[in-house]
Amino acid sequence: DTAVSQTPKYLVTQMGNDKSIKCEQNLGHDTMYWYKQDSKKFLKIMFSYNNKELIINETVPNRFSPKSPDKAHLNLHINSLELGDSAVYFCASSSDRIEQYFGPGTRLTVT
Amino acid sequence: QKEVEQNSGPLSVPEGAIASLNCTYSDRGSQSFFWYRQYSGKSPELIMSIYSNGDKEDGRFTAQLNKASQYVSLLIRDSQPSDSATYLCAVTTGYSTLTFGKGTMLLVSP
Repeated sequence: DTAVSQTPKYLVTQMGNDKSIKCEQNLGHDTMYWYKQDSKKFLKIMFSYNNKELIINETVPNRFSPKSPDKAHLNLHINSLELGDSAVYFCASSSDRIEQYFGPGTRLTVT
Repeated sequence: QKEVEQNSGPLSVPEGAIASLNCTYSDRGSQSFFWYRQYSGKSPELIMSIYSNGDKEDGRFTAQLNKASQYVSLLIRDSQPSDSATYLCAVTTGYSTLTFGKGTMLLVSP
């Protein structure tokens, strides 16, 4: 059974398009996160939700909008995609806001 | 700016040797410390967590924490080629926030 899952695994799209990435966890955790890992492999927090409420919102362009319909799901919608948005996006979850477990990642390529 | 520093490597060790990975952090208020392993093209996998000064052992892995020196390390005993990966140090730097280092690439040669 997959603990933290993401769809799609790969996403190739053109500049200016809007796309969404979905994340689901079946661990019963109450906190979920979105991270971005750039081409230099640096992993950086973008957003965090606790029980459907936004608790962390790092300096991210407002083209990125997270949505949590329930505590098991956290989606990421990106408007007007730019070349610099190309990266791997990881979803993670935790039960104690400390130990975080990552999903398999979504590789986004903007052409 | 709260930072986590790691040597990018690669750190090359022969099979069976001890690999020593180091990490320093800038936020004196950090309370929780983690090591993640990331294979190429895969997601980070939590392998060790440590919360108090001293050593914590789990199988071939030992995490060491020295809060006074703001230093965390990971020792891998009897290194295997399958341990070849990038090891990410992560530190809590705020409410539910993990700050990651850029990772150290470990290469274990047969």
